[in-house]
Amino acid sequence: GAGVSQSPSNKVTEKGKDVELRCDPISGHTALYWYRQSLGQGLEFLIYFQGNSAPDKSGLPSDRFSAERTGGSVSTLTIQRTQQEDSAVYLCASSISPGTKRNIQYFGAGTRLSVL
Amino acid sequence: AQKITQTQPGMFVQEKEAVTLDCTYDTSDPSYGLFWYKQPSSGEMIFLIYQGSYDQQNATEGRYSLNFQKARKSANLVISASQLGDSAMYFCAMEYGNKLVFGAGTILRVKS
Repeated sequence: GAGVSQSPSNKVTEKGKDVELRCDPISGHTALYWYRQSLGQGLEFLIYFQGNSAPDKSGLPSDRFSAERTGGSVSTLTIQRTQQEDSAVYLCASSISPGTKRNIQYFGAGTRLSVL
Repeated sequence: AQKITQTQPGMFVQEKEAVTLDCTYDTSDPSYGLFWYKQPSSGEMIFLIYQGSYDQQNATEGRYSLNFQKARKSANLVISASQLGDSAMYFCAMEYGNKLVFGAGTILRVKS
């Protein structure tokens, strides 16, 4: 595909359950980012992957949140023991040239998570 | 720390007219990049335009242009000849390390 692909597009879960959100970046993009968009907090950075380097996890809100990126491509964001405040749209982005001028991040359509 | 301020929660514009969406930023870094994204109701964030702090000219991309005033720390988006399809949320953002810092956004509604 030409763009960043995220799945599922919508996820409804019960409080306390674990969820996994998937992101497939643009082919050839070495950098991958996760953001969260919620009504109260706006758009927040969660985590950043670049090649084989250790990820920047500085935006993860709690230890219930984790992410991995396998083979430098697909990434999975996992939320354990979901809480109602985790309800938000989770956006994934990728870019081709982090650390350089004009590093454009291209976003997927997001996963809308609803925790009941 | 970087901060982006968008003071217009919502804007209306008549179809075919131009509209300016405001963005001010705060940073102590001499080198930085500023971005505008469009988010229609479908939810996807669509990249519109980029302005580098050392760029000599204001950025333009089709009907989008950026009114970059470095001394005032403002990077306003100008949309010319508005179309109904321009109705969306617009976000201003700045690079900060490995991430983008976003403003709160402006909802634009184009009237026919």
